[in-house]
Amino acid sequence: DAGVTQSPTHLIKTRGQQVTLRCSPISGHKSVSWYQQVLGQGPQFIFQYYEKEERGRGNFPDRFSARQFPNYSSELNVNALLLGDSALYLCASSWDRVFDEQFFGPGTRLTVL
Amino acid sequence: ELKVEQNPLFLSMQEGKNYTIYCNYSTTSDRLYWYRQDPGKSLESLFVLLSNGAVKQEGRLMASLDTKARLSTLHITAAVHDLSATYFCAVGPFSGGYNKLIFGAGTRLAVHP
Repeated sequence: DAGVTQSPTHLIKTRGQQVTLRCSPISGHKSVSWYQQVLGQGPQFIFQYYEKEERGRGNFPDRFSARQFPNYSSELNVNALLLGDSALYLCASSWDRVFDEQFFGPGTRLTVL
Repeated sequence: ELKVEQNPLFLSMQEGKNYTIYCNYSTTSDRLYWYRQDPGKSLESLFVLLSNGAVKQEGRLMASLDTKARLSTLHITAAVHDLSATYFCAVGPFSGGYNKLIFGAGTRLAVHP
């Protein structure tokens, strides 16, 4: 079975631009969470979506938004990019909303110049 | 504020030696996870610890959990070069009804001859 997939693998943007990252969960998983991992740090929780609704949000500005589609795939959007947004963005999927183990995708490396 | 602290942050080990990585967390959590991350790669799940006194072993790695002390350990036995990676502990979920993980800063392990 395919694991969590993310696209694109790498992305280079300039300050002020907007970016959209995509994630496809493991088949049958209804929950998608997004994490930001800045170089040299642990991942930080951004959002969780379950059954197409936002269920949790981390301490990130409103420039960060996400959505989940009927097929449970998800997009993360970041507007007005800052240099500090450069990071590895990880998507994780799980079967249920709260207690199921999360499985992480390969990540999207975003570089903001 | 919820905190997960790992120590040491950097660990240089000689092959064949034993060592322990410590993970302290500041609030009650249902589960504790250990992940491995190779440079530029995603997170690989190593262990999920569910209850006080839980101990799990896989190869040269053994993880344990003491929920009363809010402490987990990852013990490395007879280290080999292939274990070189960054190891993260994470705790979650928490009250609030969503599947958020809080990660430690990671322990960068280098095993040398």
